[in-house]
Amino acid sequence: QVQLQQSGPGLVKPSETLSLTCTVSGASIRSFYWTWIRQPAGRGLEWIGQVFSTGTTNYNPSLESRVTMSLDTSKSQFSLKLTSMTAADTALYYCARAYNRYFDFWGQGILVTVSS
Amino acid sequence: EVVLTQSPGTLSLSPGERATLSCRASQRVSSSYLAWYQHKPGQAPRLLIYGASYRATGIPDRFSGIGSGTDFTLTISRLELEDFSVYSCQQSETLPSTFGQGTKVEIK
Repeated sequence: QVQLQQSGPGLVKPSETLSLTCTVSGASIRSFYWTWIRQPAGRGLEWIGQVFSTGTTNYNPSLESRVTMSLDTSKSQFSLKLTSMTAADTALYYCARAYNRYFDFWGQGILVTVSS
Repeated sequence: EVVLTQSPGTLSLSPGERATLSCRASQRVSSSYLAWYQHKPGQAPRLLIYGASYRATGIPDRFSGIGSGTDFTLTISRLELEDFSVYSCQQSETLPSTFGQGTKVEIK
């Protein structure tokens, strides 16, 4: 069974950098695209971007200047860094596996609040 | 980017009734790249339908999807209590992948 376990802080100060990690089990991280998605309260889901094991990344243009995604095959983990956090970045953040461009397995979600 | 507009925003129905949810795209989306998800508070979204009409593993056959071009529909033939939730469509034909704003199916 594929499982994605997210880790990272639930509180980030304005202007700081958010760092989240997703640990994959039950599937090879060398296959598939691995994705980050978020959902602000009361709003729809927003695709942040994806990373492949070769290092190939694709980011949402709305966040591209602030996003970095990476993948560590030795640890079966992939990560998200989002810089210059503001209150508008407060959201529930999910990691997910992209299989044929849809998302079949998801992490449990982490609520990230941006506040001083 | 492709904008997905879901309607209605809220659907108030009783258990046993039929639910019909719409997802309209701002430009043509291949049916291969249209999916539906169910999400409940405190839980990760759950893939229901991919390729517009294919049920994901373990999804009951009361859920069905159809559509092509810019118009897609998710139907729940007979609502059960666990089906009252929020449903979102998603396209991945073009990047960035985008989601609709969601339709809430609530108990009438």
